[in-house]
Amino acid sequence: QVQLVQSGAEVKKPGSSVKVSCKAPGGTLKNYNFSWVRQAPGQGLEWMGRIVPKFGSTNYAQNFQGRVTVTADESTSTAYMELTSLTSEDAAVYYCAREGLTIFGVVIFDSWGQGTLVTVSS
Amino acid sequence: DIQMTQSPTSLSASVGDRVTITCRASQNINIYLNWYQQKPGKAPKALIYAASSLQRGVPSRFSGSGSGTDFTLTISSLQPEDFATYYCQQSYSSPLFTFGPGTKVDIK
Repeated sequence: QVQLVQSGAEVKKPGSSVKVSCKAPGGTLKNYNFSWVRQAPGQGLEWMGRIVPKFGSTNYAQNFQGRVTVTADESTSTAYMELTSLTSEDAAVYYCAREGLTIFGVVIFDSWGQGTLVTVSS
Repeated sequence: DIQMTQSPTSLSASVGDRVTITCRASQNINIYLNWYQQKPGKAPKALIYAASSLQRGVPSRFSGSGSGTDFTLTISSLQPEDFATYYCQQSYSSPLFTFGPGTKVDIK
């Protein structure tokens, strides 16, 4: 398990956007894929999307298509998640997670950031 | 989309109890099933991958079984540090992923 360090808590107004960062140990970003998972208060885990930093390719959950963008900057070993058109329902803790590939070819989220709390309030 | 369900939603157990949590997929996912443990205010932690393989450093009292659509996480002798919420997650449809709704294990 490696340490992924996320940016701090955010307070945003409805209709605005938030961008959360996730810094991986130096030089490791290109060797792994990274996903973003959110957790609303008292709720379960919801997968949002992911990036393959080596190619810059992305995939997004249907629920977030058109509102979420995941990017990566290899020079700073940092992945980002931007969510637009925020509503109160987007208030949650947002996690980045590293995708590990097991010997069976099963992808597992083997390292997680500490989470970033996003509050949406007018 | 592959949907995941878990049962029970919550359970109360005592230290030393054997605990079993079930996860069901809406279609055949082979062994593409992982389990996570989450404690309040903390990030999830990977426990088991590929249905039955223990993640490095995870105590052997945790075990997983199943394939296809039905899976089980078992804690053979519940310890105080095991009180948490447990989630299953499928990666069969990678690069799209789905979590189960979670099972909360608390103290009886």
